[in-house]
Amino acid sequence: EVQLVESGGGLVQPGGSLRLSCGASGFTFNIYAMSWVRQAPGKGLEWVSSISGAAGGGRTYYADSVMGRFTISRDNSKNTLYLQMRSLRVEDTALYYCAKAPYYDILIGQGAYVDLWGRGTLVTVSS
Amino acid sequence: QSVLTQPPSVSGAPGQRVTISCTGSSSNIGADYDVHWYQQLPGAAPQLLISANTNRPSGVPDRFSGSKSGTSASLAITGLQAEDEAHYYCQSYDSTLNGWVFGGGTKVTVL
Repeated sequence: EVQLVESGGGLVQPGGSLRLSCGASGFTFNIYAMSWVRQAPGKGLEWVSSISGAAGGGRTYYADSVMGRFTISRDNSKNTLYLQMRSLRVEDTALYYCAKAPYYDILIGQGAYVDLWGRGTLVTVSS
Repeated sequence: QSVLTQPPSVSGAPGQRVTISCTGSSSNIGADYDVHWYQQLPGAAPQLLISANTNRPSGVPDRFSGSKSGTSASLAITGLQAEDEAHYYCQSYDSTLNGWVFGGGTKVTVL
């Protein structure tokens, strides 16, 4: 079955760290660009970060709101995507979705999209 | 405030046609980047509805259609059904931000 399963969410204090994981199955993981998209409670979707597939050399992209605090990475041997989050803020509280693009980079052609979503993992930043 | 602007809500009676606009700028939609649309049912993850402005993935009813012109795009739902009640989001790429941008989302209510 083609699916993405996120894990690693939880409650963390402001200034703390957390690492999210996303396990992929049912497709050749190393080929495709992967991303994290978050959704704060009752709010809309916000792109967080992307990493290209093997043909893109693992190029990374970050939203300004997380640049310098979050690091995206992937382990193609384990079919797993990661998001290391540091210096967490209250405004980082959200459901974090793992997302797959149908190309090796999000900038292919006229811009890629998400063709497969996980169910999300909840991150709560609160004291 | 989202880079792509959508109306917060639209509504229509069953069978009617509704449209959702998505307005961007010269660094995203106006720069000829594609616009994609997602449907998010209550309590569920988003799902791809329209890719590359006008393309419907397999399984998406032909009641849903997309268009793009200049710095804007639109999603149309014809023959509105109760099961279409959901939030809808547009998405594109922005060359200034060097990443994806989403609209703020539109809640569709079937009266």
